[in-house]
Amino acid sequence: GAVVSQHPSRVICKSGTSVKIECRSLDFQATTMFWYRQFPKKSLMLMATSNEGSKATYEQGVEKDKFLINHASLTLSTLTVTSAHPEDSSFYICSARVTGDSPLHFGNGTRLTVT
Amino acid sequence: QKEVEQDPGPLSVPEGAIVSLNCTYSNSAFQYFMWYRQYSRKGPELLMYTYSSGNKEDGRFTAQVDKSSKYISLFIRDSQPSDSATYLCAITQGGSEKLVFGKGTKLTVNP
Repeated sequence: GAVVSQHPSRVICKSGTSVKIECRSLDFQATTMFWYRQFPKKSLMLMATSNEGSKATYEQGVEKDKFLINHASLTLSTLTVTSAHPEDSSFYICSARVTGDSPLHFGNGTRLTVT
Repeated sequence: QKEVEQDPGPLSVPEGAIVSLNCTYSNSAFQYFMWYRQYSRKGPELLMYTYSSGNKEDGRFTAQVDKSSKYISLFIRDSQPSDSATYLCAITQGGSEKLVFGKGTKLTVNP
């Protein structure tokens, strides 16, 4: 149980274009999902908390206009990287928890390369 | 002082060895402790979850929490090459509080 699916696993795009990443909770409902970014050989950095039916909460230093988050249903959150630049190239991972105190379960990540 | 400290390694051991991975934390308000395993180019996979001092065992893995010392450990018995990965400790106060991650320890088990 507690499976989080993320799509796509890899994406290459050109500078200036936008990319959408989907995160789904397959066997549970998630009112809250979390988006992380991971640089090579570094730990996970929380970007934002995605709340179903309301605006996402962004961490300090994360541009909300660049990283658009939509949590339209209890099983789907999307992260759109707008006007992508090469410095946006990274590994993006979503996660969710079944209940308030249960541990986070992570998707398999999306490797974004902006050329 | 960082909230969570984890030796990044790398750690290299022979197959069959007992592996000890450790994290220390500074905030006594942390109540929930997790260990994740992350293979290269994959998302973290939950290995162990505990919220009390003491030991919790699951197969070859044992998680140990010492709240008085603010110290958590993950032991891997009879380590296998398939255990080669980066291990992340993660701690939270619980509820809607954010997870705080260690930097991760890269483990290689040599056949």
